[in-house]
Amino acid sequence: DTGVSQDPRHKITKRGQNVTFRCDPISEHNRLYWYRQTLGQGPEFLTYFQNEAQLEKSRLLSDRFSAERPKGSFSTLEIQRTEQGDSAMYLCASSSTTNTGELFFGEGSRLTVL
Amino acid sequence: QKEVEQNSGPLSVPEGAIASLNCTYSDRGSQSFFWYRQYSGKSPELIMFIYSNGDKEDGRFTAQLNKASQYVSLLIRDSQPSDSATYLCAVQASGGSYIPTFGRGTSLIVHP
Repeated sequence: DTGVSQDPRHKITKRGQNVTFRCDPISEHNRLYWYRQTLGQGPEFLTYFQNEAQLEKSRLLSDRFSAERPKGSFSTLEIQRTEQGDSAMYLCASSSTTNTGELFFGEGSRLTVL
Repeated sequence: QKEVEQNSGPLSVPEGAIASLNCTYSDRGSQSFFWYRQYSGKSPELIMFIYSNGDKEDGRFTAQLNKASQYVSLLIRDSQPSDSATYLCAVQASGGSYIPTFGRGTSLIVHP
């Protein structure tokens, strides 16, 4: 069990560019979550997968954001046409249907949009 | 809209004291309650979860839940400087939703 890993850990981009983040969950976990966190705030839910199915997506998530989880393994979160307001820490978490509901978080991918 | 409210703090307590962190939630259908600790620059990690009304103790930590008042708290006994962190309350509804909603967190500072 190597934990949840995210890549890249840091990304600096110019406004209008596209960025993609990858998350590798704990191998036996079938639930995968993306959250966004800004300074002084708690994690804000973006989207949720169970296996390969995207079951929920936040109403706050604009159509510039898309996420996939092919084959129910790793997941990618893409942000198109980035805006300065997208600057945040993007956290991926995974959990198992058999556990207590605990989320195991990765170290996050910090995005800075210039 | 499901809301989870926490005082952002900071809450400052002396070493050895009891730190009391509070959280209220809006969704009466909530069934599962979690406390996460987040050190500066790190990701959240679970400290405790509680499902039933009353107290649940784990070492120096006690979680308290009152569903009638829609209130959950975390007590940290014998606070240590290493407990200095942000404490996030997370609430999960019933009915097949497996998505915790997080509060903004309370910053705790334990000073020697």
